[in-house]
Formats: sequence, structure tokens, C-alpha cells
Amino acid sequence: SAVISQKPSRDICQRGTSLTIQCQVDSQVTMMFWYRQQPGQSLTLIATANQGSEATYESGFVIDKFPISRPNLTFSTLTVSNMSPEDSSIYLCSVSDRGNTEAFFGQGTRLTVV
Amino acid sequence: GNSVTQMEGPVTLSEEAFLTINCTYTATGYPSLFWYVQYPGEGLQLLLKATKADDKGSNKGFEATYRKETTSFHLEKGSVQVSDSAVYFCALSMVDSSYKLIFGSGTRLLVRP
Repeated sequence: SAVISQKPSRDICQRGTSLTIQCQVDSQVTMMFWYRQQPGQSLTLIATANQGSEATYESGFVIDKFPISRPNLTFSTLTVSNMSPEDSSIYLCSVSDRGNTEAFFGQGTRLTVV
Repeated sequence: GNSVTQMEGPVTLSEEAFLTINCTYTATGYPSLFWYVQYPGEGLQLLLKATKADDKGSNKGFEATYRKETTSFHLEKGSVQVSDSAVYFCALSMVDSSYKLIFGSGTRLLVRP
């Protein structure tokens, strides 16, 4: 299984600022995803990070709010822009390989916006 | 669209009790099914999976059988331990959706000594 490192593990941010979350995988993977878990809720997919092209966003999520980069097959970033308290959530990076149904998750970034 | 429905929690059990957490799904096609576990303050860990009808996934004493006729994937364990206290998520993925996971709402399990 892939080992996924996510940074930071937690942060407290002021409203109106932005935070960039990094996801590093110890091996090349085909698919990388970003999920959001609001307090006490399930996980919702934000977007699929595509290597060398724009991310594919799910309904309700837009690039201006959640810009994503994926410069290679082992690394991706998610930025939460112009934050408000409603953005307080756990953000999780997930990876899988095409042809392999399993997906693995990082430890998550616990974001609190004040 | 595709979806997953889980039983509401929290589920509170005494140690060594039998556990069942119900999960049903709706999908156009043949999904792969998963149970993930989230321990307090941690990310998600894959607990078990099944990729086709009648497959049984098992791990750490937990089991779940892919039932196509009832579109279910119920999680069971014969004797729970305090260390099993966590939130359990049922999920599905589809090949034609690039393996994106669709999660149920999660079920919190609390096991008392």
C-alpha cells in the first residue's frame, strides 16, 4: 500500500486568508483525490487532481475556491482560498492506481478558521 | 445516481458483543464495495473490500459479504473490543467513475469495557 504524507496535520487560520495543503506519496500513483470531511459528517469529494492538467471538480466545488496542483505522479497540493469559518473541516488526500480498486488516505489536515 | 446508505449511529456495545452495521447501496452497474475505519483523530484506513457479487471481505475479525440481490454489504464482527471504537464508513466505487469513492454517512461505534 502507498504511504501518504499530508502537511500540515492541523492549522488554525484567520478568515480571509488561504492555506495550502501538501500531499506526498512514496510511489507513483495514477489517481489522486481531495476530500472534505465537515465536522461530524461523512467525506465529500472535492476534485480529482490530474497530472499536468487542470483538476476535475465535483458539483459544488470551484477552482477559484479550491485551486489544486499536481506537477507529477507523487505530489499534489490543495489550496483553500479566502477562508471562512464554514471551511473548518478535515481535508484528506487519497490515492489509487488505475486497475486497482483500493484507495488509500493520508492522515488528513484538520483546519479551523477563526 | 450512485449512493450508499448506512445505519444511523452511534452504536454502543459491551465488549465481546456481536456487531452488525448495515450498509445498502444504489448503483448503475457493478460497484466495488468497501468498509473504511476512522479512529479518533486519524485519517481513514481501509478495513476490507469486495469487488464482485458473493465476495466476502475480511480483516481483523470483521467480515462483510457483497450481496447483489439485496444490494447490501453489512459489516459484522463476532466479538468487539474496546479498541474497535471508531467511526465506520461504507463506500463504493465504479470503474467508469475513475474509482472515485462515494461514502455513506458513517456509523460511530462505542465499545464499553
